[in-house]
Formats: sequence, structure tokens, C-alpha cells
Amino acid sequence: ETGVTQSPTHLIKTRGQQVTLRCSSQSGHNTVSWYQQALGQGPQFIFQYYREEENGRGNFPPRFSGLQFPNYSSELNVNALELDDSALYLCASSLLAGGNEQFFGPGTRLTVL
Amino acid sequence: DAKTTQPNSMESNEEEPVHLPCNHSTISGTDYIHWYRQLPSQGPEYVIHGLTSNVNNRMASLAIAEDRKSSTLILHRATLRDAAVYYCILYAGGTSYGKLTFGQGTILTVHP
Repeated sequence: ETGVTQSPTHLIKTRGQQVTLRCSSQSGHNTVSWYQQALGQGPQFIFQYYREEENGRGNFPPRFSGLQFPNYSSELNVNALELDDSALYLCASSLLAGGNEQFFGPGTRLTVL
Repeated sequence: DAKTTQPNSMESNEEEPVHLPCNHSTISGTDYIHWYRQLPSQGPEYVIHGLTSNVNNRMASLAIAEDRKSSTLILHRATLRDAAVYYCILYAGGTSYGKLTFGQGTILTVHP
């Protein structure tokens, strides 16, 4: 059974640029959630995708957007990058939208200069 | 979101039991108590969850107070690999989307 994978591992961008992060969910999981984790803080929920639709959103501006594909993999897009967007971005998959256990990937470390 | 309160840090010796407390006085009747941990340079990892009764699995035990306003994660024999940040989370579950609200967590240090 393949776990949750994310790419790239690290990324450096400059302020104002756009970035796309990718996530492959665990086999059989139809739900993907994205989290942002600033240094020294707990992860903060960005949004969740279930069957290719956004299924809930945290307190993040519209420049954070996402997609989920028919194979349940997902992308997180961030436009107009700001310095405060520097963080670890985590993807988590689960079997159901309200499923109890979420399986996290290793994350993508984004640095905005 | 109902909040949880955890100590910032705790220390333990290897092969000794560890009791990690969590207070959640505003818990609602439908909130599940979840524990995740995050090892250095990794994503969070599910540990255990419960609703009202105490729970055991291969990783840990969860003891839930009768009034559900507090809970304790028990690692029966700590190992160096258990050194991590432990998060206690209240999760609505059911048909709600999977928003886990992480706090600061407890940093567990395990001494050899």
C-alpha cells in the first residue's frame, strides 16, 4: 500500500510569484485535505477536496486554491505569494470526507524570498 | 471550534510510561478526541481516538474522563522514537469535512 506522497520536497519562490504543489493520496482514499504549518506552530487547515469538489475551507484567502483529479490526487495553488506564505504545506488523505483517520504526507517546504 | 489545552513540554525516560494530559472543558457531545503526533521532519501521524470509553491500540491507550472534559494519552513504554510533538484535537467527525484544528501540542522529550 503506497502512502501519501507530495512533490516537490522543497521549493524557493519570490514574492508575487505563483506556485503549485502536488499530492498523491493513499490508495483507495477519495478525500484530500491541505494544511499550512508555519515554523514552530501546529498545522492550519486550508481546505478539503472530496470527489473533485471543495468540501470545506479554513481561514485562507482566495489566492489559495486547489484541484482534485479523478484519480483523487490533488494540487494546491497559491497566487501572488507573500513572505508569510513560507511554511511547510501538508497534504492528508482519508477514506471518507468525515473519516476519522487522516494520513499525512511528508510535506513541501516552501520558502518565499 | 472547541479548544484543547496541553502542557508545552514533557520529559520521560526510555522504557518508562508517559501520561500526556489534555483539557477540553468546552467539548460537545458529538466531538471525538483525537491524538496525532509529529516526529521531526515528518507529517503528523494518527495515534488514537475515542468518544466516551477508554481505547487501546498498538501504539497507545486513551483514557477519557467520565465528564469528557479531559483525557490522557498513555504511552506504556516510551522509546526514543516516541520523541515528537503530540497534538490533542477535538474532531466533529460524522458528515462534517475533515478539518483537524491543531493547537501548539506537547513536545515530548525521551531520555535514554
